[in-house]
Amino acid sequence: DIQMTQSPSSLSASVGDRVTITCRASRGITNYLAWYQQKPGKVPKLLIYAASTLQSGVPSRFSGSGSGTDFTLTIISLQPEDVATYYCQKYNSAPFTFGPGTTVDIE
Amino acid sequence: EVQLVESGGGLVQPGGSLRLSCAASRFTFSSYWMTWVRQAPGKGLEWVAIIKQDGSEKYYLDSVKGRFTISRDNANNSLYLQMNSLRAEDTAVYYCARSVWFEFDFWGQGTLVTVSS
Repeated sequence: DIQMTQSPSSLSASVGDRVTITCRASRGITNYLAWYQQKPGKVPKLLIYAASTLQSGVPSRFSGSGSGTDFTLTIISLQPEDVATYYCQKYNSAPFTFGPGTTVDIE
Repeated sequence: EVQLVESGGGLVQPGGSLRLSCAASRFTFSSYWMTWVRQAPGKGLEWVAIIKQDGSEKYYLDSVKGRFTISRDNANNSLYLQMNSLRAEDTAVYYCARSVWFEFDFWGQGTLVTVSS
């Protein structure tokens, strides 16, 4: 099975900072990669699918890129409401594995 | 907006069984793959199982194969997860979610399953 890794596991940044999270697949998954945001105590929310397509209603400060094995989620200007854990997920085929998550905090 | 409401969670002894339900509304249930994802306390997300629109295809996480069965009732807009031979490591919040191209665009609030003696 394809394994998903994320880095860093956690980060702390200031409001307005540019934040980048990396997700890596152990084998190529073309662009079958989604990103989710889970705020503390809340349900996961789909942010990005097909590696770079923003889900409806998601602020444009979020963007995704990559293909094959290496992907990134970027928050252009971090806001207080972006405090959350972010997960990548591969969905080219079962099992639809999630990455271990990256927790984003405000300094 | 899409609504997914899970039920059926609770405390069960190791080796026991539990059946989770997910009531779907405000979308054409029969047109979508549906899935279960779980999250152990303080841990990350773990995909569990997925079922095709007509129930003809099902896929499972290796660790639940042979113990869990996903099913659906399109006439009643409901998704199910039958969980047998439960283990302590199955303790988690179980979410049902709608699947588009195997990314999951709407999630329920989850139901907690605790496996403990």
